[in-house]
Amino acid sequence: EDQVTQSPEALRLQEGESSSLNCSYTVSGLRGLFWYRQDPGKGPEFLFTLYSAGEEKEKERLKATLTKKESFLHITAPKPEDSATYLCAVLYSGAGSYQLTFGKGTKLSVIP
Amino acid sequence: NAGVTQTPKFQVLKTGQSMTLQCAQDMNHEYMSWYRQDPGMGLRLIHYSVGAGITDQGEVPNGYNVSRSTTEDFPLRLLSAAPSQTSVYFCASSYSPTLAGERGTQYFGPGTRLLVL
Repeated sequence: EDQVTQSPEALRLQEGESSSLNCSYTVSGLRGLFWYRQDPGKGPEFLFTLYSAGEEKEKERLKATLTKKESFLHITAPKPEDSATYLCAVLYSGAGSYQLTFGKGTKLSVIP
Repeated sequence: NAGVTQTPKFQVLKTGQSMTLQCAQDMNHEYMSWYRQDPGMGLRLIHYSVGAGITDQGEVPNGYNVSRSTTEDFPLRLLSAAPSQTSVYFCASSYSPTLAGERGTQYFGPGTRLLVL
């Protein structure tokens, strides 16, 4: 059973059409939830860290929120340059160590 | 700061060959890790290190070796390459995985694309 699930797997939006990406997690002992953006052929680029339920972070057209069991990445009025795969990862404590587990990502395409 | 750097960017190996993927960071991070990324599988942890001289296994360690002699460098060695090791490999670093919030954030290198024939 996946501990971090991202949905949808892929999302096509028209330029200017706002939407949200979801990251749900089942781990306990959360130490942080991270959002990354990954462009084809590149490494993941850090976007946000969220730590506690109710926390929100914003950067340009992106806004990340966190609840006790999921996080949302809201994209407002997206542009074609926002097209990328968005990865969610959770850092949690378990079995005496700390684990960073990634979801499989949401591939976002923004059509002009 | 250069951040996290990886070499080579691309490599082709024959089955049974060995090689070392290089990773370096200039952020004075204690924690470094190696991931592989495969289609439909997400990023999976291979090995990690919490400081010089200390390494441990991640989720998929078989066929790989690591060592950490300095804070800056964390090479990944493929002992005898197999086609199943064809993947994209990413190195990452952070201040510490135990720190909550921003200081627990991992920063990634640009990746090494490995093809094993």
